[in-house]
Amino acid sequence: AQSVTQLGSHVSVSEGALVLLRCNYSSSVPPYLFWYVQYPNQGLQLLLKYTTGATLVKGINGFEAEFKKSETSFHLTKPSAHMSDAAEYFCAVSDQNKLSFGAGTTVTVRA
Amino acid sequence: DTAVSQTPKYLVTQMGNDKSIKCEQNLGHDTMYWYKQDSKKFLKIMFSYNNKELIINETVPNRFSPKSPDKAHLNLHINSLELGDSAVYFCASSRNRAYEQYFGPGTRLTVT
Repeated sequence: AQSVTQLGSHVSVSEGALVLLRCNYSSSVPPYLFWYVQYPNQGLQLLLKYTTGATLVKGINGFEAEFKKSETSFHLTKPSAHMSDAAEYFCAVSDQNKLSFGAGTTVTVRA
Repeated sequence: DTAVSQTPKYLVTQMGNDKSIKCEQNLGHDTMYWYKQDSKKFLKIMFSYNNKELIINETVPNRFSPKSPDKAHLNLHINSLELGDSAVYFCASSRNRAYEQYFGPGTRLTVT
């Protein structure tokens, strides 16, 4: 069985500050890991993914995430927050059969 | 071009009614999914079809019946709607089960 834990249901950052969203996973097989973003009243949009290879993956909108097998983590970062980053962020793990999502982290950006 | 589309976007209905939500993808993907997002934004998979074959059915009441007439379409029919069915339902598709999923815009179902 696989699962995802997102630490912190809500993160508030100042515009221009670092965004750090934490995700830990459990999986019985080598995982595929994803971060999705959901803007208000919209569907989920893929930010980035890790399948194999380089453990630091870059995504859209300046986000990146690092896969750390020893820590079973896949934290998402963005060096400088923008007002448009305010959204819900979901980490997800796939065991190559189905996706399991974390509970989500709401990001608010203060001017 | 919309990759994954759903209709309707909003659905308001009374308890006991039967309703359907339609989903279409133009990405040429083999696998399609239905998810339910509750009021706390928690996402849970309901069903998955691969090449029109049901491969995932997650402890969903049998009032919910998916139908996949072809690889590009996956519809969700709900009988005898209950208050607890109120949620946002998302359709998604992927190349196969191991790949990233692309989501539709969602259907907000409100049961009164």
